[in-house]
Amino acid sequence: AIVLNQSPSSIIASQGEKVTITCRASSSISSNYLHWYQQKPGAFPKLVIYSTSYRASGVPSRFSGSGSGTSYSFTISRVEAEDVATYYCQQGSSNPFTFGSGTKLEIK
Amino acid sequence: QVTLKESGPGILQPSQTLSLTCTFSGFSLSTYGMGVGWIRQPSGKGLEWLANIWWDDDKYYNPSLKNRLTISKDTSNNQAFLKITNVDTADTATYYCARIEELWVYGYWGQGVMVTVSS
Repeated sequence: AIVLNQSPSSIIASQGEKVTITCRASSSISSNYLHWYQQKPGAFPKLVIYSTSYRASGVPSRFSGSGSGTSYSFTISRVEAEDVATYYCQQGSSNPFTFGSGTKLEIK
Repeated sequence: QVTLKESGPGILQPSQTLSLTCTFSGFSLSTYGMGVGWIRQPSGKGLEWLANIWWDDDKYYNPSLKNRLTISKDTSNNQAFLKITNVDTADTATYYCARIEELWVYGYWGQGVMVTVSS
């Protein structure tokens, strides 16, 4: 099974700050199959970035993603209060189709 | 507009079989490239993928649970189902269904249904 190691597990950031989350896979995966989700407190997950770097419909441009092989990153260029959430990476490259352990973003 | 909604028993006892239903609209599971997946999340914990079913009835299961899972669909009524046999307290979680698309991305999610396993 491909394990996705997310880091950090939590971030405390100020509004306007840039934050970056890393997702490292235990084996190489195609960048087409690496996706990011946002789960706000008490809500269901929502797709934010698909295929490493493509923003889902309606997602603000401050969200971006990059990476290849075993190393991927997710960036919020200027954090806003509404971005408080847990963020998960997910791979669709091989069964089981795993999620990362999540990164909880809080605002100072 | 794509919507999905999960339904389930709420509470059940250890060793029973959990039956979940996902009722969706805005797409058809007979359309090429469409699928529905099930993912669960214990309270305060992360997401665990369980199973997917595709438009052509191809099915994928999480190997760690495979012997206990059965996924199926009713295309005519826009529903997908998941059964988990022999449940125990570790199966207590919120269960989500989601539309899965090409590249194995979950583009739309239901609100989730909480399931508690308790004697």
